[in-house]
Amino acid sequence: ILNVEQSPQSLHVQEGDSTNFTCSFPSSNFYALHWYRWETAKSPEALFVMTLNGDEKKKGRISATLNTKEGYSYLYIKGSQPEDSATYLCASAGANDMRFGAGTRLTVKP
Amino acid sequence: EAQVTQNPRYLITVTGKKLTVTCSQNMNHEYMSWYRQDPGLGLRQIYYSMNVEVTDKGDVPEGYKVSRKEKRNFPLILESPSPNQTSLYFCASSPRLATHYEQYFGPGTRLTVT
Repeated sequence: ILNVEQSPQSLHVQEGDSTNFTCSFPSSNFYALHWYRWETAKSPEALFVMTLNGDEKKKGRISATLNTKEGYSYLYIKGSQPEDSATYLCASAGANDMRFGAGTRLTVKP
Repeated sequence: EAQVTQNPRYLITVTGKKLTVTCSQNMNHEYMSWYRQDPGLGLRQIYYSMNVEVTDKGDVPEGYKVSRKEKRNFPLILESPSPNQTSLYFCASSPRLATHYEQYFGPGTRLTVT
């Protein structure tokens, strides 16, 4: 079974702080790495889908990088805002299936 | 509006009473999938479907069945629910293989089996 690990499990930051999380995944048989944002009482929503080693993607204050050779991805949030509070999930996509990490729960205090 | 719908949203049932959770998408997506979410474990894939009449097991298929008779619908069937199937369930779809396309998630179904 392929394991996707995320760290830290939870994170509390002050408004305005920049922060980052890690997702590690098996580098063999890699197809794509997904990041999702999941707010309480809502459904997960896609942030990024990354496929190439060295890929960097950005959406507003959130960005992500991908290293497929060593099997990790970083998600960065610049100048965190209270509305960024959510659980951030990464998932490693195989040929047909998806394996999710347990998520990083971010709380941004005003 | 493009969306994935699930019904019911909440269900409390008793052990052994067969139930079906429906999932429907209106985006003509080929790939559909069911997940369960349990605290500390993240989303675990139950079953997925690459297209009509093509389904396969995910990581935790025991106790579940699915069918894909039409492209838009992918129901999850619990023939004899047990308390360890108490969980939050999400249906998701994407245009084709999940690899290069983001998944769109339904609103979730919170199931309690007593």
